[in-house]
Formats: sequence, structure tokens, C-alpha cells
Amino acid sequence: QQQVKQSPQSLIVQKGGISIINCAYENTAFDYFPWYQQFPGKGPALLIAIRPDVSEKKEGRFTISFNKSAKQFSLHIMDSQPGDSATYFCAASKANAGKSTFGDGTTLTVKP
Amino acid sequence: EAQVTQNPRYLITVTGKKLTVTCSQNMNHEYMSWYRQDPGLGLRQIYYSMNVEVTDKGDVPEGYKVSRKEKRNFPLILESPSPNQTSLYFCASSLWASGDQETQYFGPGTRLLVL
Repeated sequence: QQQVKQSPQSLIVQKGGISIINCAYENTAFDYFPWYQQFPGKGPALLIAIRPDVSEKKEGRFTISFNKSAKQFSLHIMDSQPGDSATYFCAASKANAGKSTFGDGTTLTVKP
Repeated sequence: EAQVTQNPRYLITVTGKKLTVTCSQNMNHEYMSWYRQDPGLGLRQIYYSMNVEVTDKGDVPEGYKVSRKEKRNFPLILESPSPNQTSLYFCASSLWASGDQETQYFGPGTRLLVL
């Protein structure tokens, strides 16, 4: 049973466009939702995270939108740049509880 | 420099030969975890540790052991490796404060091939 479903599997966006990646979770006990960015040959890096008491969090060009009733959250990358080309993972966990579940990843390609 | 180190980075072994992948962090983080990454499957958590002598299973713990005798080290042990444990392994450490993960660092990864 996959607890976190991520879509799309791959995404191609033109430079300057908006990239949107979606995730849906099943376990209502989750209360911490991070996004990670991974470049080829590197480990993942924590990008931005949200708690369910807010509906949106923005850090620079990256925004998380959170819909608690639908059990969905999404990553928006505004003004996408070729340097944003990477694999993005969403995850869900119980804050401070240690266990975390990841989505399968989205490979983003930003064309110049 | 804040970092998580893993050794070895690459390892080829044979079925049944016990091996240990070491993980060390220099940030005094209490939380550490191990993940495996397989194509199309994202990252799957193997084990995690909230503090010294406190460890718990993630989603895919079968065939793995861990220990946390000191805060900085969190080794991953494969007592009897099998080919289905061929994968890319990542160790991570985190600092949690007030319910938020303030920082998280991943190691560079260990690529394991079990023949």
C-alpha cells in the first residue's frame, strides 16, 4: 500500500514557466510534509517543508500548497530555470517521530 | 563544514558475506536515518534513530540491522546480503526543533552490488 503518491513521473517545462508537482497521502496521522531536490550523482537535499496548520508556504521561487481535506500537497516552482532540472521527491511523516515515507519522484527538465 | 560521510562509496560483494556501511555526522544531530533508493521507487526508509540507543524500523527493514552507540555514528549492517539488496544507500541526519526539521543533511550515497 503506497502511502504517498506522486505525479507526474516526469515533467518538461520551458524556462520561465511554472513547474507543478503533486502528491497525495493516505495516513491522516502525517503532519510534516517536506520536498527534496536531487541532482544526478548527489544525495537528496531538503528544499522546503510545510505543516498542516498552514495552506501555503513560500521560499523564494518555491511554494508548497497544502489541502488538508483532500490530503494533497503540491510543489510549485515559479520562473523555472534550467538549473532547476533535477528529481524532486515529496515525503510525509509524523513530526519528531522519525518515520517518513517518500513519493516515487518526479524528474523535472527545464528547457532553455 | 557540516557533513554526513558514508563509507565505502562503492562496494561489490557476494551473497551471504556480512558487510557494514558506516555513517558519521559532525553536527551533533540526534536524528539519523538510512534509506535505499531504487529506480522508480523513490527513497524508502530502512531504519531511523531518534537518539543514542534508540532505533526503530522504517518501511523496509528486512535484512538490515543498525546500531546507535554514539550520537555521531549510525552504521548499517547487512548480516547476509542478497542480490535484492543491490541498491543505492543514503544516510541522513536531522535537527528537529519545535516540530520542524530545521536542517537535514544526506550523505553522498553508497552504491552496493550484491552478486
